[in-house]
Order: sequence, then C-alpha cells, then structure tokens
Amino acid sequence: KNEVEQSPQNLTAQEGEFITINCSYSVGISALHWLQQHPGGGIVSLFMLSSGKKKHGRLIATINIQEKHSSLHITASHPRDSAVYICAVPYTGNQFYFGTGTSLTVIP
Amino acid sequence: ETGVTQSPTHLIKTRGQQVTLRCSSQSGHNTVSWYQQALGQGPQFIFQYYREEENGRGNFPPRFSGLQFPNYSSELNVNALELDDSALYLCASSFSYNEQFFGPGTRLTVL
Repeated sequence: KNEVEQSPQNLTAQEGEFITINCSYSVGISALHWLQQHPGGGIVSLFMLSSGKKKHGRLIATINIQEKHSSLHITASHPRDSAVYICAVPYTGNQFYFGTGTSLTVIP
Repeated sequence: ETGVTQSPTHLIKTRGQQVTLRCSSQSGHNTVSWYQQALGQGPQFIFQYYREEENGRGNFPPRFSGLQFPNYSSELNVNALELDDSALYLCASSFSYNEQFFGPGTRLTVL
C-alpha cells in the first residue's frame, strides 16, 4: 500500500468545469504539498498547507488533518491547467512520499 | 532571485556508462534533494544533502552517489548505468526543512 494515494488517476474535463482531485495519506505529517508537473517534466509547487484551506487564483487546496485527506480544486478550468497534479507529504525532515499523480486534460 | 536550475536538460547514455547531473539551488537555500521519476510514476527520493553532508537516503544502490559544494549546488552521479535508470531526475532545494522548490529536471535515457 502506498503511503499517499491520489484519485482519480486520470481526469478529462470540459473547459469551465469545476475539478476536484483527492489525496489520502497514511503517515503523520506536518504539512502537505500540492505540485503541478507539465509535459516536459518541470515541477511547480502550488501549495504547502498544514490546516484549513488556501487559495491562489482559481486553485483552492483544503486539508483535513484528522481524516488524513486533502483536496485540490480548480474552478473555471482552462486548457492551460492540463498537467499532472501530485500531492506529496514529508516523512523525515524534508524527504517526501509522493502520490503517483492525477493527469488532468482540459478540453476547449 | 534565481530559481533552481538543472543541467543538462536531456541526456542519452548507453548501459554501463557513468553520468553526472548538476543542480544549482535557489539563492539562500542550503538543502538539495534528488528524486528519480520513472514514466507514469511519482518521484522517488534518492538522497538529500544539507550543508555538504548526506542527510538521508532512499532505497537506491550505492552506484547512485552525490555531492554538495560549498555554494550548495549539487551533483548526482550514477555509475554502471542500467536501462531502468532511464527517468526524469529532479532536484529540489530548500532552506533547511522549509518548502522545497523543484528544478525543471534532467531527462536521462539509457540505451
């Protein structure tokens, strides 16, 4: 069993749709990271959160520490949001367990 | 403030060869972590360097080795390359245990 599980693995949405990606983890953590990886490889850190909710533009991340669950929401999705979204949790200092990612495709 | 950079961006090697990948950490960061990401998989932790010393290692054989320099840039060396070493290699820098910032990655293909 992976320490970090994401769902769905693949997601196709029409432009404008509201999107939710889920992440469940089994280890105790201090914070959870949401990352975005575009084709070609580079990873961008979207959020680091340890409680509640954070919002950047059309992206919203929530976390429930008691339930060991986090969600990433994208409002009014756009084709440029197409990417792989990865959740990651630190387990020793700054080392991470990564989810396998959710591949999102937004169709115009 | 410059971000994390990696070189080269792409590399093709043959089995048995050796490779060195480089990472320049973001200004002010003293910690570099290296990850291997196989196609369709999440990144796997290789090792971390903090102030020039190895500060943790994942489940990778000794032919994966690293180095961190006084300016906190880092190298990942892989000896005796195998086909399964083909992957995207990512480095991430941070200041101690704070948020990590990732580089664009080096795509290694082993033929």
